[in-house]
Amino acid sequence: AQTVTQSQPEMSVQEAETVTLSCTYDTSENNYYLFWYKQPPSRQMILVIRQEAYKQQNATENRFSVNFQKAAKSFSLKISDSQLGDTAMYFCAYRSNDYKLSFGAGTTVTVRA
Amino acid sequence: EAGVVQSPRYKIIEKKQPVAFWCNPISGHNTLYWYLQNLGQGPELLIRYENEEAVDDSQLPKDRFSAERLKGVDSTLKIQPAELGDSAVYLCASSPAPTGELFFGEGSRLTVL
Repeated sequence: AQTVTQSQPEMSVQEAETVTLSCTYDTSENNYYLFWYKQPPSRQMILVIRQEAYKQQNATENRFSVNFQKAAKSFSLKISDSQLGDTAMYFCAYRSNDYKLSFGAGTTVTVRA
Repeated sequence: EAGVVQSPRYKIIEKKQPVAFWCNPISGHNTLYWYLQNLGQGPELLIRYENEEAVDDSQLPKDRFSAERLKGVDSTLKIQPAELGDSAVYLCASSPAPTGELFFGEGSRLTVL
């Protein structure tokens, strides 16, 4: 079974600044997918960004980008130009070859005005 | 387009009582998931359906939990009898295929007294 570890329970960032969330995972598979999901307070979870393990290029979605280090099994998320609406819980997730999606424990991000 | 709809949003019951949650996935989504999310934790998969077939129910506590997806559309998750430790948010998600993006509902928050 795959394990996803998010070692930062909480992060705080000033509006317009940059914050980086860490995620590590354990796997013996070579091909897989990694995701970051955002869960705002009392709202549904939405996909922020995804990364295919066979792609060396790091994924980018507007202000969100990842640093994927396959050998180190690391998958961090960078939020640039933080906005108040970015306040949420962020989950790193791993999808295995049998399509099982495993989530980390989450990181609560608070953007300060 | 309507998203994943779940009901009820909130449910308070006494222990040993039964409870049921309903999920209506996005139209055309063949894959449906039920996740359990404890407070401050990441979601944990309970069961995954491909159409009407439960293809992964290894994490479902079958002594008290049951689920069905008749006709491969709506799904119901039932707990009988409920225990104090079942207090959590039950999330439903759907995707067009096992490889597709997951779309989550707002969840059903259960409190067992």
